[in-house]
Amino acid sequence: DAGVTQSPTHLIKTRGQHVTLRCSPISGHKSVSWYQQVLGQGPQFIFQYYEKEERGRGNFPDRFSARQFPNYSSELNVNALLLGDSALYLCASVGWTDTQYFGPGTRLTVL
Amino acid sequence: AQKITQTQPGMFVQEKEAVTLDCTYDTSDPSYGLFWYKQPSSGEMIFLIYQGSYDQQNATEGRYSLNFQKARKSANLVISASQLGDSAMYFCAMREGRSNFGNEKLTFGTGTRLTIIP
Repeated sequence: DAGVTQSPTHLIKTRGQHVTLRCSPISGHKSVSWYQQVLGQGPQFIFQYYEKEERGRGNFPDRFSARQFPNYSSELNVNALLLGDSALYLCASVGWTDTQYFGPGTRLTVL
Repeated sequence: AQKITQTQPGMFVQEKEAVTLDCTYDTSDPSYGLFWYKQPSSGEMIFLIYQGSYDQQNATEGRYSLNFQKARKSANLVISASQLGDSAMYFCAMREGRSNFGNEKLTFGTGTRLTIIP
């Protein structure tokens, strides 16, 4: 079975731009979570979606938004990019066992 | 207060030796889950092992075991017979509350960088 997939792998943007990151969960998993990992730190929770509904939100500004589609894939959108948004963005899917399985991540660089 | 504390920023261990990575946690919720993840330089977070707060026995997965001491609020990862491929960042994480498809938020520690020396 395919694991969690994310696209793109790498992305370079400039301040003020908008970015969309994509994630497909493991087949059969209906819940997706997003995390931001700044260099040298542990991942920080951004959002969780289950059955297309937002179930949790971390301490991030409104510039961050997300949605989940009927096929359970998800998008993370970030508006008005700041230099501090440069990070590895990780997507995780959760199945019946409660364990979160992570994708390879999208490395975002904001110049 | 930090919910997850990993006090070892870096560790160097000889190949084939056992290694213990420390993790302490802080929660008032009686129901919680503890996870360990491995993050190689590629960036992907690889799930290693899970321990539920009501589990009576310490979790084991191959060469990985979790030394769960509930009263001390510690959940140390033990890697037996370390290998060169074990060199990576290791993160301890906690989910507070029961898992119910909407409550799987993980709080991570700052990680420990493990380097295995040949």
